[in-house]
Amino acid sequence: AQKVTQAQTEISVVEKEDVTLDCVYETRDTTYYLFWYKQPPSGELVFLIRRNSFDEQNEISGRYSWNFQKSTSSFNFTITASQVVDSAVYFCALSPGNIKAAGNKLTFGGGTRVLVKP
Amino acid sequence: DTAVSQTPKYLVTQMGNDKSIKCEQNLGHDTMYWYKQDSKKFLKIMFSYNNKELIINETVPNRFSPKSPDKAHLNLHINSLELGDSAVYFCASSQTAGSYEQYFGPGTRLTVT
Repeated sequence: AQKVTQAQTEISVVEKEDVTLDCVYETRDTTYYLFWYKQPPSGELVFLIRRNSFDEQNEISGRYSWNFQKSTSSFNFTITASQVVDSAVYFCALSPGNIKAAGNKLTFGGGTRVLVKP
Repeated sequence: DTAVSQTPKYLVTQMGNDKSIKCEQNLGHDTMYWYKQDSKKFLKIMFSYNNKELIINETVPNRFSPKSPDKAHLNLHINSLELGDSAVYFCASSQTAGSYEQYFGPGTRLTVT
């Protein structure tokens, strides 16, 4: 069974501070995929990043960066110089990597609410 | 153009009624999904269809029945609605054969009174 844990339920920061969201996962698969999604107050789910289990390179996209550490089963997300528009719920998710199985389901963590104050 | 659309956005109904939520994607994806998000924001998959074929069916009451008339559409019909069905229902789609990212619709907030 797959499991994703986001231990931080809510984080509050002041604008321009950095914020790191933790994500720890459990899976027996040797191949799997990890994702981060953002859910702003308007409610939609916005895809941010996908990472496969064989690629442990960290990734940076603008003010966003991701740190994947297979040894600790973690896929953490950092927002640098946070802005009010970053206020949202962020979800980490995991799917099996069996490419023969169409439509692998996403197992989501419980989400972390980030509140960026001006 | 909206990639994944759902109708209606809000649905308020009484217990015991039957209702449907429609989903359409114009991304050319072969696989579509329904997820339920409860009041605590927890997201859980309900169903998945690939080319109109049901491939994932989680433990969901029989009152919920998905229908896929073609690979661009996946509808969700709910019979005999209960208070506990109140939630936000998200439709999503992705490419076939692999863990490609899923793109989500705007969600349908269902309130059962």
